[in-house]
Formats: sequence, structure tokens, C-alpha cells
Amino acid sequence: GDSVTQMEGPVTLSEEAFLTINCTYTATGYPSLFWYVQYPGEGLQLLLKATKADDKGSNKGFEATYRKETTSFHLEKGSVQVSDSAVYFCALVPNDYKLSFGAGTTVTVRA
Amino acid sequence: DTAVSQTPKYLVTQMGNDKSIKCEQNLGHDTMYWYKQDSKKFLKIMFSYNNKELIINETVPNRFSPKSPDKAHLNLHINSLELGDSAVYFCASSQDASATTNEKLFFGSGTQLSVL
Repeated sequence: GDSVTQMEGPVTLSEEAFLTINCTYTATGYPSLFWYVQYPGEGLQLLLKATKADDKGSNKGFEATYRKETTSFHLEKGSVQVSDSAVYFCALVPNDYKLSFGAGTTVTVRA
Repeated sequence: DTAVSQTPKYLVTQMGNDKSIKCEQNLGHDTMYWYKQDSKKFLKIMFSYNNKELIINETVPNRFSPKSPDKAHLNLHINSLELGDSAVYFCASSQDASATTNEKLFFGSGTQLSVL
């Protein structure tokens, strides 16, 4: 079935470092792709999305580009802050309309 | 006001007990969900209701029974709790169940269930 695979964590980095979290997908059609973020003690929140190939989603300094040729939707941020410490989930909505999440990547940013 | 609220936040209980987790949303959404997050942060959908009707029922033991008295509420009852049921359970809602809107889910803050 349609699914996403994201890089395993945990990821630990220093403030102002560059962050990349890899996400690749498997789908029979053309799914919409998402990144959700879960801050400590909270539920998930939609961070950004892209609905078609070459779309770039962006929010709070994070970006991800829908790459059909590599079936990828990698999340990037140029300069992370301590407040970006969270669990990040890649997700897709395939043809059966059920939002499917990746395994989650825990990111810890140290001051 | 919290958009999606679930109670309790923490639940510690013995094996074999029966427990319930309640969820309410004040967003006027038609669709609600229950997700289970394991210790490795993996998030898996369990159930989804649209206007009080069950539309998604993943492979979940019969001990888990969702109940939706109205579209603003989706409660989760668990019978005969087992050690493996320990996890964080998240309630969520979306405007409706269509492909264009169910992508944006609003999550509750989770219920951490510990079965001893």
C-alpha cells in the first residue's frame, strides 16, 4: 500500500545548524504530502504541505519540495533554534484518502 | 478554548481492567479519529468516524470499542487491558472525510496510558 519512509532519529544538533530530515514515499497515484510536528507534551500540528509535483511547502523557516522523480519530500531548515526541538512526521494522503504517517524523527536542538 | 480535548491526560491501571478515554472537539468538524503512538513514536490510525458513523476500522483487537454519541464526541473504551496497550492515544478531527480536507487534522494533546 501507499506509505512513507523517513529517516530514523534521534537527531541532535546545535542551534543555527542546518537540519535535513529525509522522507521518501511509495504511492500508486499522486498523493499529497505533508510534514507534521509534535512539540513535547502536545498533539501533532500540520507544519507544511505540497499537493503536486515540484510544489514547495514552507512554514516557520522549514521547507520541503515534492520531488516526483525521486519520490521524496525532504524537510529542511537553514538555521534551527532550541524551540524547533520536536518530533517530525512525514505523511501522505493516497487515493484511499487515509492520512498515513511515517515513523517520526525526534530532533533535539542544543543551545 | 481547546479545539480538541481529551481526558484523562494520564491513565495508569492494572492489567485486566476496563478503561475509557474521552474526546471532544468544538470545531464543528464532521470527522474524528483515534491514533495510537507507540514508544518509538510510530503513529497508527485505529478508527475514524464521520458524522457518528464508523468509516475506518483498522486491524485493532475487539477489546477496543469506539463510541460516538454525537459528531463532537468520540470516546474509546478498552476492555481487559494488556501490557501491550501501553502507549499514547491521540484523538483528532478534520472538517470532513474527503481527500481535500482530511489532510489537515487537529490533534488533542494525547492520553498516556500505562498498563502495569
